[in-house]
Amino acid sequence: SYVLTQPPSVSVAPGKTARITCGGDRIGLKSVHWYQQKPGQAPVLVIYYDSDRPSGIPERFSASNSGNTATLTISRVEAGDEADFYCQVWDSDGDHGGVFGGGTKLTVV
Amino acid sequence: QVQLQKSGPGLVKPSETLSLTCSVSGGSISSYYWSWIRQPPGKGLEWIGYIHHSGNTKYSPSLKSRLTISVDTSKSQFSLRLSSVTAADTAVYYCARGVVVVAAREGHFDNWGQGTLVTVSS
Repeated sequence: SYVLTQPPSVSVAPGKTARITCGGDRIGLKSVHWYQQKPGQAPVLVIYYDSDRPSGIPERFSASNSGNTATLTISRVEAGDEADFYCQVWDSDGDHGGVFGGGTKLTVV
Repeated sequence: QVQLQKSGPGLVKPSETLSLTCSVSGGSISSYYWSWIRQPPGKGLEWIGYIHHSGNTKYSPSLKSRLTISVDTSKSQFSLRLSSVTAADTAVYYCARGVVVVAAREGHFDNWGQGTLVTVSS
C-alpha cells in the first residue's frame, strides 16, 4: 500500500510560521488532504485537494504539493493551533482506500 | 452542517463481534461515501472502509475478511460489524462523511462524528 511519511513532531514559537511535511512516492501526482486533531477531539479537515480551505478554516492555513513532498504551512502560529496534524491521500494505485500519514505533533513553545 | 452520532458498546469481549451504528442528521445520506476510521490509543488514523447509499462498499484489505458495513437509508444510518475481535482492535472508532470520486480513485473526509473508545477485553 501507499506510504505517507510525516515527522513525529514540529515545534514553533507563537507568531512564527510552522511547516509540516508529508512525504510519498510521487505524491505531487495525488490530491493531498490535511486534518487537525486536538486532544480528545475528532479530526477536522483543514485543507483538501492540495490547497483548498473549507469554510471556517483561517487563511493562516495553506498547503502545497509537488514532487515527493506535500507541505502544510501555518502562518502566525497561535497557541490554539497546537494539535496533531495528519496528511491523507487515496490509494489510487492499490486497494487501500484512504491512507493517512503517521501524524505530526505541532507544539507551540 | 451534517452531524454524525455514533452508538454502540464501549466494551467487547475477544472473539466476539464489534457493532457500531452512525446516525446522520442535518443532511442527506445520499451522494456521499459513509466511512469508518479508527485510531488505536496514542496512535495514528486507520481507514476501515466505506459504504455508498446505493450499498456499494469498499473495505481495507487488512480487515476485509472480518468486516461488514451496511446502510439503512430509511433511518439515515450506517453500521459497522467487525467479527472475531482481538485486543489489536481496541481503538477510538470514528464515523465520517467521505467525499469520494470513484472514477478518479480520490477521496477525503469532510465531516467526522465524535469518536468512542471501544475496548476489547474479557
